[in-house]
Amino acid sequence: NAGVTQTPKFRILKIGQSMTLQCAQDMNHNYMYWYRQDPGMGLKLIYYSVGAGITDKGEVPNGYNVSRSTTEDFPLRLELAAPSQTSVYFCASSYGQSNDYTFGSGTRLTVV
Amino acid sequence: QKEVEQNSGPLSVPEGAIASLNCTYSDRGSQSFFWYRQYSGKSPELIMFIYSNGDKEDGRFTAQLNKASQYVSLLIRDSQPSDSATYLCAVNIYSSASKIIFGSGTRLSIRP
Repeated sequence: NAGVTQTPKFRILKIGQSMTLQCAQDMNHNYMYWYRQDPGMGLKLIYYSVGAGITDKGEVPNGYNVSRSTTEDFPLRLELAAPSQTSVYFCASSYGQSNDYTFGSGTRLTVV
Repeated sequence: QKEVEQNSGPLSVPEGAIASLNCTYSDRGSQSFFWYRQYSGKSPELIMFIYSNGDKEDGRFTAQLNKASQYVSLLIRDSQPSDSATYLCAVNIYSSASKIIFGSGTRLSIRP
């Protein structure tokens, strides 16, 4: 059982480039989340989804977009990368409103 | 006012002693409270959750909740060097039970 899989693990982007962070879960969880974690800080919610076709903004959505076309996948899109988006990005999922999250291993993104 | 506040530490505790980690939250309607442990460079992992006022024990860990004071704590008995990590307090937001908000974490160091 893979749990929550994030790819890539590391990425360096130039300012203005775009990329998609991939997240997939195989636990049939209906809730999925994207967080970012800056050095020495807690996690900030970017976007979340309560099911396929439904997404909503979190605390820090600016500069990001998401889609949820299937239950399994929840990609995060950065359209115009900025140095302020340098961070570690975590995807998580949960079953219903249990809020017992399973986290992916993270993507470390650097924008230069 | 931050929604979830924690002392950033570091908190240094001798091996074998009790480590006490504290967290306050601002949303009086919050119902669910979580403690996650995060080792350096790793993703958070759930170690305790509590829904009702009082204490909840699981092995060496005890979570304490006081909704009237909007306060939740985590006690770690017989602290081990392997307990050295950052501990994140997380609280569900009443207005949207689908998501939880994290504190910035307390760095705990267990000294031999």
